[in-house]
Amino acid sequence: QSVLTQPPSVSAAPGQRVTISCSGSSSNIGNNYVSWYQQLPGTAPTLLIYDNNKRPSGIPDRFSGSKSGTSATLGITGLQTGDEADYYCGTWDSSLSAVLFGGGTKLTVL
Amino acid sequence: QVQLVQSGSELKKPGASVTVSCKASGYPFTSYAMNWVRQAPGQGLEWVAWINTKTGTPTYAQGFTGRFVFSLDTSVSTTHLQISSLKAEDTAVYYCARGRPPAFDYWGQGTLVTVSS
Repeated sequence: QSVLTQPPSVSAAPGQRVTISCSGSSSNIGNNYVSWYQQLPGTAPTLLIYDNNKRPSGIPDRFSGSKSGTSATLGITGLQTGDEADYYCGTWDSSLSAVLFGGGTKLTVL
Repeated sequence: QVQLVQSGSELKKPGASVTVSCKASGYPFTSYAMNWVRQAPGQGLEWVAWINTKTGTPTYAQGFTGRFVFSLDTSVSTTHLQISSLKAEDTAVYYCARGRPPAFDYWGQGTLVTVSS
């Protein structure tokens, strides 16, 4: 069981908006940056968001990140069937001196 | 362009050792940290370690000390992860990933390590 808690699955229709939450504590999300990753089936993860809300070059602005207290949220607008993937949050944990990942959220675009 | 190319799949017996390699290209190798992340079949991501490519100093997650050794060969821009005394629960895809934890901006293609008798 992961220290960072994500919903196992979310779903929405094409064109709609979805959010994925990631809940932690003061030793991790509360005092460190959060990143978000997309993992398409059978491929390596891709960085979507870093430093809570920054997008690497090439990542469309349909993807956004935010953080409040000990929780972070990934938002995806204008859902496409190609967005169906597993999404992971990640952050540093100052007590463990380690990177933690959430358990992952499977996004289904109905 | 930035590329991280990993060595091929491995099938090992319990108790054996394995080394997974990751060759970087397209950027100054010592300008970025390197990490290893593993993913057991059907499971989530698990961070193993990171290494300071300037100093060669590794830092391991709890549970990955002792049997796991993260090393560098800066002359060929390559990192290695050696795992000894392999156990069935080490079966996973191992990814190298560039960047300051937890922002990993480039990933290798992954190396499947299977531990089975």
